[in-house]
Amino acid sequence: GEDVEQSLFLSVREGDSSVINCTYTDSSSTYLYWYKQEPGAGLQLLTYIFSNMDMKQDQRLTVLLNKKDKHLSLRIADTQTGDSAIYFCAEKPDSWGKLQFGAGTQVVVTP
Amino acid sequence: KAGVTQTPRYLIKTRGQQVTLSCSPISGHRSVSWYQQTPGQGLQFLFEYFSETQRNKGNFPGRFSGRQFSNSRSEMNVSTLELGDSALYLCASSSAGVADTQYFGPGTRLTVL
Repeated sequence: GEDVEQSLFLSVREGDSSVINCTYTDSSSTYLYWYKQEPGAGLQLLTYIFSNMDMKQDQRLTVLLNKKDKHLSLRIADTQTGDSAIYFCAEKPDSWGKLQFGAGTQVVVTP
Repeated sequence: KAGVTQTPRYLIKTRGQQVTLSCSPISGHRSVSWYQQTPGQGLQFLFEYFSETQRNKGNFPGRFSGRQFSNSRSEMNVSTLELGDSALYLCASSSAGVADTQYFGPGTRLTVL
């Protein structure tokens, strides 16, 4: 995932908003994705955004895309302890199935 | 609808052995991708199969191979195991439809001793 960059760690208080940032490099990526991984589990698809959109909201999740700066962010409103996990952003640089992942952001929610 | 299943969930092998991992995609999904996850390298793409054909391959040595059957189930094989092959191997399936969203299985944890 060397072409997708994320900060490695985020600590947030329960009830606050979390914002996870990601930068990607391939401007041809059509879709960008956010996945969540809990300990010992696989990846859970949270949401995705089409590259011609600026924003997508899905319940507590808001994705913002700045295509000019190749910057993607995921905002989690009213963060809960169950949101503690590693969050990965991913791009799909071509029409085939390959996803390019960032290194993941460890989110720790404190009471 | 049942999710992606992977078997076995855990595996311990010794150097030099070979291993076969299995993945059953979500019903109706024809694309299966494999990824290797390690603490050092993160998530890396291995290969993708669609309708029994490999249509994309990552930068892994030839010891890593795969195949897909007519029912879309997929297997990956690693021969002559090395210590560095210890990883979580994740399989993802996709309908190749809108957004081509990939759904992941729980993974197979391979430990090479």
